[in-house]
Amino acid sequence: GQNIDQPTEMTATEGAIVQINCTYQTSGFNGLFWYQQHAGEAPTFLSYNVLDGLEEKGRFSSFLSRSKGYSYLLLKELQMKDSASYLCAVRDSNYQLIWGAGTKLIIKP
Amino acid sequence: IAGITQAPTSQILAAGRRMTLRCTQDMRHNAMYWYRQDLGLGLRLIHYSNTAGTTGKGEVPDGYSVSRANTDDFPLTLASAVPSQTSVYFCASSDGQGEDTQYFGPGTRLTVL
Repeated sequence: GQNIDQPTEMTATEGAIVQINCTYQTSGFNGLFWYQQHAGEAPTFLSYNVLDGLEEKGRFSSFLSRSKGYSYLLLKELQMKDSASYLCAVRDSNYQLIWGAGTKLIIKP
Repeated sequence: IAGITQAPTSQILAAGRRMTLRCTQDMRHNAMYWYRQDLGLGLRLIHYSNTAGTTGKGEVPDGYSVSRANTDDFPLTLASAVPSQTSVYFCASSDGQGEDTQYFGPGTRLTVL
């Protein structure tokens, strides 16, 4: 079966750095996405990785290792508004997105 | 309209009733999707459409039907609602090229009693 694993919940301090991990086992791989979802709202796109390595976008970076079936999302200089769920999704061989259950990130002052 | 809209925002429905959730996008995206999101689970694909006139089944299609008469609209119909269809439903679209990033509508919160 196909599986995406993420921690259920993480807590971090405002101004700090947090790394959210995602491991996957899917039938094929055609890219990995990270989305942010605030409570009661729609998921919004953060990043896309299809090749190994680090993609940086301002305070957010995403890393991919295809051989290890592993990705992480790195959030720097945390702000209270970063409190949200972060969803990892992998595009499989059928070109469909397989979604993790999401990691709820709690930011404390 | 900017992006994707969904209607209604929320709905309480009696079991056995028929319900259509509406989704409209103005980005001229080829592909559209319907997901449901339940607590503790990832988004699960119900149905999708790669282009107007075609549809396909996702992971959890039973009890749902869709149509894609034109590029902009992708309604989802529950023929006879059951309590297990209580969920938040998201419509999404993508241009079907390159990264093919999916963009989501605001969602419909559906409760079936």
